[in-house]
Amino acid sequence: AQRVTQPEKLLSVFKGAPVELKCNYSYSGSPELFWYVQYSRQRLQLLLRHISRESIKGFTADLNKGETSFHLKKPFAQEEDSAMYYCALNIQGAQKLVFGQGTRLTINP
Amino acid sequence: DGGITQSPKYLFRKEGQNVTLSCEQNLNHDAMYWYRQDPGQGLRLIYYSQIVNDFQKGDIAEGYSVSREKKESFPLTVTSAQKNPTAFYLCASSWADNGYTFGSGTRLTVV
Repeated sequence: AQRVTQPEKLLSVFKGAPVELKCNYSYSGSPELFWYVQYSRQRLQLLLRHISRESIKGFTADLNKGETSFHLKKPFAQEEDSAMYYCALNIQGAQKLVFGQGTRLTINP
Repeated sequence: DGGITQSPKYLFRKEGQNVTLSCEQNLNHDAMYWYRQDPGQGLRLIYYSQIVNDFQKGDIAEGYSVSREKKESFPLTVTSAQKNPTAFYLCASSWADNGYTFGSGTRLTVV
């Protein structure tokens, strides 16, 4: 079965502290994973995708096929990082995304 | 200004009524999607369409219907058969595997 699990519904860290949002997936094919972010009163938008291997707004995510994980990390959290974060898995062939339950990240001053 | 437009922003439905949520895109994307967003449950796929005049059921299609008569438009009808329609509905479009572009959503409330 295709599934994306984000074990933390809520995550709260202090400004300047490292942050890690966990994402695990279950998929028999070759995984293609994304992180989407929804800031307050804004649309859901793409943050990064594992194929690009890029860093966006200081965030990075590495695909670990052995652990079937795609955790999102940032070494020093900023208050503007407070948002809802969704991990998503692309189902190849079907051209559709399966989303995790989301993690609400709050950065405390 | 390219993007996806969802309307209305807020919608109230009486018990037993059908309502239609609009989704229009001018991005020339082939694929379009409808998701339902509930607190603690993430985004769940209702219907999706990869091409005009074709669409597939997602994970929670019961009580919903769609049409895709034009590339730009993918309206969602919430029928009276949907037992718990109060939710936030998101429309998205995509091209190839380039990620999704989302609309701003419609909040539907049953009164």
